[in-house]
Amino acid sequence: AQTVTQSQPEMSVQEAETVTLSCTYDTSESNYYLFWYKQPPSRQMILVIRQEAYKQQNATENRFSVNFQKAAKSFSLKISDSQLGDTAMYFCAFQEGPGNQFYFGTGTSLTVIP
Amino acid sequence: DTAVSQTPKYLVTQMGNDKSIKCEQNLGHDTMYWYKQDSKKFLKIMFSYNNKELIINETVPNRFSPKSPDKAHLNLHINSLELGDSAVYFCASSPPGQGLGLEQYFGPGTRLTVT
Repeated sequence: AQTVTQSQPEMSVQEAETVTLSCTYDTSESNYYLFWYKQPPSRQMILVIRQEAYKQQNATENRFSVNFQKAAKSFSLKISDSQLGDTAMYFCAFQEGPGNQFYFGTGTSLTVIP
Repeated sequence: DTAVSQTPKYLVTQMGNDKSIKCEQNLGHDTMYWYKQDSKKFLKIMFSYNNKELIINETVPNRFSPKSPDKAHLNLHINSLELGDSAVYFCASSPPGQGLGLEQYFGPGTRLTVT
């Protein structure tokens, strides 16, 4: 079974600083996708960024970027210039077929301190 | 304007009761999902439907029965509710297509409390 591990249950960062959230996964598949989702206190799940396993280039979305290390099965999220609105639970997710379902990690609660 | 909606948002009920949670998406998506998020925030897939057909059924008690009357709706019916069913239930949908990498769009969640 696929497993996704987020080893940091809680993290905090000063506003405007950079923080990295870690995620590791285990799979025997060669093609898969990885996602980071954000869940603010409103409970709404919001896509932050996605990465295809076949692409060596790390995905970037504005202040969010990933460090994808396929051999190490590692997929960390870097948030630059942290803002108060970044305070949320962050979930790493692994996606594979045939149903394209997501397997989520246990989440990291990030607090941005003013 | 809502993409994926769920009703109700909050549900408080007693043990032994039967309840339903409804989900609707207006995105034209083919695939819909139900996830359960427990008190420790762990999110786990329960069911997935593609074009009204069940394609994923994880290890979920038989008391949980999904029903998809059409592509835009996926309802979750729970019989004989137990204390351990208390959780937040999320509905999600993803666009048509066979490939991976399709984003899932989540509803706002339904917080179920069983007393």
